[in-house]
Amino acid sequence: DTGVSQDPRHKITKRGQNVTFRCDPISEHNRLYWYRQTLGQGPEFLTYFQNEAQLEKSRLLSDRFSAERPKGSFSTLEIQRTEQGDSAMYLCASSLQQGSYEQYFGPGTRLTVT
Amino acid sequence: DAKTTQPPSMDCAEGRAANLPCNHSTISGNEYVYWYRQIHSQGPQYIIHGLKNNETNEMASLIITEDRKSSTLILPHATLRDTAVYYCIVRSFSGNTGKLIFGQGTTLQVKP
Repeated sequence: DTGVSQDPRHKITKRGQNVTFRCDPISEHNRLYWYRQTLGQGPEFLTYFQNEAQLEKSRLLSDRFSAERPKGSFSTLEIQRTEQGDSAMYLCASSLQQGSYEQYFGPGTRLTVT
Repeated sequence: DAKTTQPPSMDCAEGRAANLPCNHSTISGNEYVYWYRQIHSQGPQYIIHGLKNNETNEMASLIITEDRKSSTLILPHATLRDTAVYYCIVRSFSGNTGKLIFGQGTTLQVKP
């Protein structure tokens, strides 16, 4: 399968714990995006990488959130000291830099903070 | 990026055409209209995009009005698998990250 993959698909954690999610984009895509989606809402942009550089972060991305994309390949999103309000679906997408920039989304990681 | 307005929900009979409207009255000249859909518990899926000409691909057709203030996504023969939330998004290519700004979309229910 050559699509965007995310791991894990589901994560249940207790409040205060740290969690890390991984995204593997389509191999030739140099743009990578993270979004968050809560129930009944459309996805909200969190952050964007072009290759290994993190070029934009949303105000939604508090200092408890950090994202990396070492070597411009896979990306990780870490949430420290999780709160119940962090419960959401975390979506990763990738695209080419040129052309019409269609974004291809992964299946998401559903986080539940108890 | 311009804001869009979509009806919250629509029904369509299986086998009939589904016509999903979108208003984007503040769209600017360099902004494209994109459509994505999200089937329950999956990530969003790109459908189609256009600037000012009508577009068609294997999934759908996109009709953009001459003044570009509104558009319609047409699924010519809706199936039960087309039941999803459909998002209309406008954005430009130049000088930005390419991030997508989703609204609440239209929930399309295809009924047998």
